Amino acid sequence: AQTVTQSQPEMSVQEAETVTLSCTYDTSESNYYLFWYKQPPSRQMILVIRQEAYKQQNATENRFSVNFQKAAKSFSLKISDSQLGDTAMYFCAFMKLMGGSEKLVFGKGTKLTVNP
Amino acid sequence: DTAVSQTPKYLVTQMGNDKSIKCEQNLGHDTMYWYKQDSKKFLKIMFSYNNKELIINETVPNRFSPKSPDKAHLNLHINSLELGDSAVYFCASSQGRGRSHEQYFGPGTRLTVT
Repeated sequence: AQTVTQSQPEMSVQEAETVTLSCTYDTSESNYYLFWYKQPPSRQMILVIRQEAYKQQNATENRFSVNFQKAAKSFSLKISDSQLGDTAMYFCAFMKLMGGSEKLVFGKGTKLTVNP
Repeated sequence: DTAVSQTPKYLVTQMGNDKSIKCEQNLGHDTMYWYKQDSKKFLKIMFSYNNKELIINETVPNRFSPKSPDKAHLNLHINSLELGDSAVYFCASSQGRGRSHEQYFGPGTRLTVT
């Protein structure tokens, strides 16, 4: 079974600074996706960024980028120029490709607070 | 235009009651899911349906019964509610079968059992 570990239960950062959230995962699969989801206090789950395991290039979405190290099974999220609206729980998630409906396996989350 | 909607958003009920949560998606997706988020914010898959067919059932008590009348709807019925069922329940949908694999989540239903 796949597991996802987020080792930082809580983090804080000053507005406009950069922060990196860690995620490691355990799998014997070679074909999978990795995701970062954001859950603000509104509790809506919002996709931040997605990475296909077969792609060596790290995904980026505006201020959000990942450092994907497949051999090390590491998938960290970097948030640049942090904004107050980035305050949220961040969940790393693994998806094994099963050719049909694929389930997300989540880490326990990192609570990020952006301070003014 | 709401993509994935759930009703109700909040549900407070007593132990032993039976309740349902409804989910609808207007994205034309083939696959729908139920996830449970516990009091420590941990999210775990419960069920998934693909075109009205049950695909994933993750060791959920049989007091929980999903029902998919059509591929746009996936409802969750819970019998004999227990205190431990208190959680936030999320519905999600995805295109499935080789597309982007992104799952779109509903707003969640906070269930409180007293």
